[in-house]
Formats: sequence, C-alpha cells, structure tokens
Amino acid sequence: RKEVEQDPGPFNVPEGATVAFNCTYSNSASQSFFWYRQDCRKEPKLLMSVYSSGNEDGRFTAQLNRASQYISLLIRDSKLSDSATYLCAVGSGGYQKVTFGTGTKLQVIP
Amino acid sequence: NAGVMQNPRHLVRRRGQEARLRCSPMKGHSHVYWYRQLPEEGLKFMVYLQKENIIDESGMPKERFSAEFPKEGPSILRIQQVVRGDSAAYFCASSPPEAAKNIQYFGAGTRLSVL
Repeated sequence: RKEVEQDPGPFNVPEGATVAFNCTYSNSASQSFFWYRQDCRKEPKLLMSVYSSGNEDGRFTAQLNRASQYISLLIRDSKLSDSATYLCAVGSGGYQKVTFGTGTKLQVIP
Repeated sequence: NAGVMQNPRHLVRRRGQEARLRCSPMKGHSHVYWYRQLPEEGLKFMVYLQKENIIDESGMPKERFSAEFPKEGPSILRIQQVVRGDSAAYFCASSPPEAAKNIQYFGAGTRLSVL
C-alpha cells in the first residue's frame, strides 16, 4: 500500500459545481497534513494546512479523519481557474517527513 | 522576502555531462528538500538537508546523484554522467526550523533535458 494515495482523476465538473477529493494515508502516526495545488508545468503551491478540527478558506474546506486515515478537500462553486492538480501531503516520523500523493486532476468546464 | 529561488530554470545537458542545480531557501528557512517530477507523475522525494547535514537521502539514487547544503551559499543537487532518464523537473522546497511548522514552500523548479 502506498504511503499516500489519491484518485488521479481527472474530475471534469461544470462551473459552479461542488467537488470533493479524498486522500488516504497509511501511517497512523502522521501528524501534519496539507493540500497543495499544482498548475501545469509549475511548482506546487500550498493551498491549506489541514487541522484536526477541519478548516475553511473561502470556497475551500479541508477535513481530517484520523479514524479512517484520510483527508478531504471540498471546493464549492467551482471556477474555471480552479482547474489544476491537487496534491495532498502528509507528514510522518521524527522530523515529520512529508510525503506527497500523486495528485488529483480537476478540470472545470464552462 | 524572496521565495525559494532555483536556478537555472532550464538546463540542457548531453548524455555523460554533469548537471548542477542550485536552490536558495526562503530567508529564515534552514531545511531544504529536493524532489523529482517526471511528466504526468507525482513528486518523488529525493533528499532532505539542513545546513551542512544530510538528514534523509532515502530517495536519492545510489549512484551519480549527490546533494549538499553548505554553511554559506545555496543547496546544490549534482547529477554526474547524466542519462536520458534523468530528464525531469527538479523542485526544491524549504521550510522553517520549527518541526511543527514543516510547511514546505517550493521554488519554480529546474527542468533538466538530457539530449
């Protein structure tokens, strides 16, 4: 089993739709969780950290489910500009080594 | 406050040559990470360094690849005797000293093309 797994997609959704991605992780001792966004041929950019209580930033909501070992990202009212690959990242171990998932590709269509 | 700076942005090498990729972390960051990304694939961890120390090189190929982060100057990822399979985007990331805030900030990457 991979340390961090994501559905590669692509998820094709119409503008205005709500879309959710999940990311599962294998190390139950993981302590830090993140979502990054990566545009084509660009570097990953931090979208948000994921806290135990869940957190929201505008149209984006991240949740952590420790019991089932997954994190989720919900995007409401999708915009064309949301089209990108979304990477989850999980920190584990003594120095919280961060492992990235392979990413979920989102395409928002007009 | 400049972000993570990588150079060159693009690097073309012929098979057998050496490639040197440089990374200057964000100001105040003492942790540097190198990743490799092949087209349409995810980020593969290569190495984690702090100043003058390699902390984790579990993702580095055993041969031809090396990395350093000297006391002064940028971190360097060095690939000797490059082969076509080394063609990829190499990203550097940095994070602040506090382990609890290990959010990684990425540079724009170096795209290596081996002819």
